[in-house]
Amino acid sequence: DQQVKQNSPSLSVQEGRISILNCDYTNSMFDYFLWYKKYPAEGPTFLISISSIKDKNEDGRFTVFLNKSAKHLSLHIVPSQPGDSAVYFCAASAFTSGTYKYIFGTGTRLKVLA
Amino acid sequence: DTAVSQTPKYLVTQMGNDKSIKCEQNLGHDTMYWYKQDSKKFLKIMFSYNNKELIINETVPNRFSPKSPDKAHLNLHINSLELGDSAVYFCASSHLSGGRHEQYFGPGTRLTVT
Repeated sequence: DQQVKQNSPSLSVQEGRISILNCDYTNSMFDYFLWYKKYPAEGPTFLISISSIKDKNEDGRFTVFLNKSAKHLSLHIVPSQPGDSAVYFCAASAFTSGTYKYIFGTGTRLKVLA
Repeated sequence: DTAVSQTPKYLVTQMGNDKSIKCEQNLGHDTMYWYKQDSKKFLKIMFSYNNKELIINETVPNRFSPKSPDKAHLNLHINSLELGDSAVYFCASSHLSGGRHEQYFGPGTRLTVT
């Protein structure tokens, strides 16, 4: 039962344009959401996060939007750069059994074309 | 100046062997994790340790045993290795007591069981 889903396995975008990566979740108990970027042969790197009490968080070129009623979040990257080419993972956390538990999506491979 | 390090980076071994993967973080974080990324690219939590105490123990075979000698280290021992254990294993850490959800990942250990 995949509680966090990234339905697009890959995405190609021209340099300078906007990249939009999507993530859907099913568990309404999730209260924190994170995006990670992963390059080949490296571990995931934290990018940006958002609490469930907010609907938007912005950090430079990266903005995360949360739509709780739709159980949907998205990551916008603008303008996209070739160095943004990587796999992006969405993750969600819920406080359960005295600690936070994190569930990751399967990732979306972003390719930014020069 | 690596924040989260894992050794070894690659591990090739035969079925039935016992092996260990080591993880160290120099970030002063209070919580450490082990994740498994399988062939389908699912990144799934296996264990979570907070201040040297086991907090999360997902449904992994008891052939897997984490050991945390101190807050900066979380090692993973695997007994009687099986073909299905082949995967990339990531160690991560976070500062949950500081309200920080983002996790810092190591570079991963690619385990191949033949």
